[in-house]
Amino acid sequence: DAKTTQPPSMDCAEGRAANLPCNHSTISGNEYVYWYRQIHSQGPQYIIHGLKNNETNEMASLIITEDRKSSTLILPHATLRDTAVYYCIVRATGANSKLTFGKGITLSVRP
Amino acid sequence: ETGVTQSPTHLIKTRGQQVTLRCSSQSGHNTVSWYQQALGQGPQFIFQYYREEENGRGNFPPRFSGLQFPNYSSELNVNALELDDSALYLCASSIGTSNSPLHFGNGTRLTVT
Repeated sequence: DAKTTQPPSMDCAEGRAANLPCNHSTISGNEYVYWYRQIHSQGPQYIIHGLKNNETNEMASLIITEDRKSSTLILPHATLRDTAVYYCIVRATGANSKLTFGKGITLSVRP
Repeated sequence: ETGVTQSPTHLIKTRGQQVTLRCSSQSGHNTVSWYQQALGQGPQFIFQYYREEENGRGNFPPRFSGLQFPNYSSELNVNALELDDSALYLCASSIGTSNSPLHFGNGTRLTVT
């Protein structure tokens, strides 16, 4: 079972920041938070991951709370092409480092 | 840099038949994983291959099997197809087996009739 909880859906206006929340209250010390997104009919796309520090790349920013029990993915300037299902995943390191997907959150960006 | 490629993109099979799906890893990646995604669900882990050996398996029966080749490409084989095997099959590649992000292909859509 997935170790994360996400609301089923949210929307935001084009050009505005999209803040996608995720709860992972049972996360262990050696587990990372990963975010992927899946646009219809495509494979999941890696966005970003982090352990405890906030992370930023060209796609998004990841903010992890100090107690690591929740995180927020921030898309700073959402576009219509960001409409997708976003998956927050807790992933252990180790020999079998699989991804356990939940149902994700459907982000709809409106014009 | 070439990403993960999968073939074929679509496939229709009859119940009881066997199918082979293929995956080419992203350049420089030596680990391959396979996932099954039923309609409306998140992907589910099938198994992972590293250095041509299976090193992790999800809750799938033995009729789901795989191979990894010396060039790190991979095959997923499913025997005795059932209607519930209809799904999108995703291949992902990564570097090593620890904290390297998985990069996915766009999948093979299998329909079993």
